[in-house]
Amino acid sequence: EVQLVESGGGVVRPGGSLRLSCAASGFTSDDYAMSWVRQAPGKGLEWVSGINWNGGRTGYTDSVKGRFTISRDNAKKSLYLQMNSLRTEDTALYFCARHRSSGYDSFAYWGQGTLVTVSS
Amino acid sequence: QSALTQPRSVSGSPGQSVTISCTGSSSDVGGYKYVSWYQYHPGKAPKVIIYDVSKRPSGVPDRFSGSKSGNTASLTISGLQAEDEADYYCCSYTGTYTMVFGGGTKVTVL
Repeated sequence: EVQLVESGGGVVRPGGSLRLSCAASGFTSDDYAMSWVRQAPGKGLEWVSGINWNGGRTGYTDSVKGRFTISRDNAKKSLYLQMNSLRTEDTALYFCARHRSSGYDSFAYWGQGTLVTVSS
Repeated sequence: QSALTQPRSVSGSPGQSVTISCTGSSSDVGGYKYVSWYQYHPGKAPKVIIYDVSKRPSGVPDRFSGSKSGNTASLTISGLQAEDEADYYCCSYTGTYTMVFGGGTKVTVL
């Protein structure tokens, strides 16, 4: 059974940093692309960042470029999101998602999310 | 990276059909086959119901169907049921390793 478990969320002040982690199980980690998707309070789903199977190709939504960094450790079956210079508008429930293939196609599996609150 | 355009809400009675549109551009919906649809209950994990424009994952009822024409993708729910009441989001690959979601559509079963 595929499982994705996010951790690392919490409350942080504007300008602060957090590192989200996603522990994967039930599949061979390096066969699939992975992404982070968030939902801010009262807003819709927003794709944040993605990484291909070997970490060689990454992408970011414009609002987080230069502030967030996605990475993965296939040996540890883990996905990460380093979030720096956090803003109040980054407050959201952050989901880890596994793509259907090694590329940027659909999201076949999702975690339950970890909540990030940026507030002074 | 503008969000894809979806109607904010649609509604129908049980047994009826509803269609949700998802309009983008030739840089996303119109340019790639990687259009997918998700059923979402806030606070829970989203669930893929359509991938690659029109394919259904195993376990998804065949009353959910997807299609695309030009820069607009569509999700049709036939034979609407009470459990279909949820938020629905489309998503597309946009090239250069980026993706974009639609703004979401709330489906209400009357």
